[in-house]
Amino acid sequence: GQSLEQPSEVTAVEGAIVQINCTYQTSGFYGLSWYQQHDGGAPTFLSYNALDGLEETGRFSSFLSRSDSYGYLLLQELQMKDSASYFCAVFHGSSNTGKLIFGQGTTLQVKP
Amino acid sequence: GAVVSQHPSWVICKSGTSVKIECRSLDFQATTMFWYRQFPKQSLMLMATSNEGSKATYEQGVEKDKFLINHASLTLSTLTVTSAHPEDSSFYICSAPRFLGAAYEQYFGPGTRLTVT
Repeated sequence: GQSLEQPSEVTAVEGAIVQINCTYQTSGFYGLSWYQQHDGGAPTFLSYNALDGLEETGRFSSFLSRSDSYGYLLLQELQMKDSASYFCAVFHGSSNTGKLIFGQGTTLQVKP
Repeated sequence: GAVVSQHPSWVICKSGTSVKIECRSLDFQATTMFWYRQFPKQSLMLMATSNEGSKATYEQGVEKDKFLINHASLTLSTLTVTSAHPEDSSFYICSAPRFLGAAYEQYFGPGTRLTVT
């Protein structure tokens, strides 16, 4: 089967940097995604890593190490609006028949 | 980015009735769509993969006779919760996937909050 582990909660202050880790065990791994979800809203795409290394998109960066089955989401210059749940998700299967399996989510609370 | 819509956004129904939820990809074609279920403060649980023109693929433990999925066109998938019971009350979200270059992304609908009384 597949399993993903990420911290349940993280708290940080505005302007700080936060790293949310994700470890996974899965067969047929194809890539690791991160999604953000505000209360009552739909998940929105943040990043996708298929290869080892760091991908940067604005204030958010995502890292993947396939050999360690590990990735993280790095949020810089935290803002109050970043308070949300963050899910790592493994894309497994194949490019044509793959699907996402989500971790349990990390609730990030940004304080003034 | 791509847009996926869902209808209705919320619905209240009585126990024993059926409810249909529609998921549409508005600006791209989706041969595959996904249906998720999410309880408060919990993760998204994949229920099934909806395949255009063929039967849906259900995840283990999901009752296919209770959660009927139809993917009749490249832009529309429907989920029907049959004989709904209070324990079916949940947030149902659909998504449609796309590959953009090497990146894989799922575009999520806004979700449907189902309350069964």
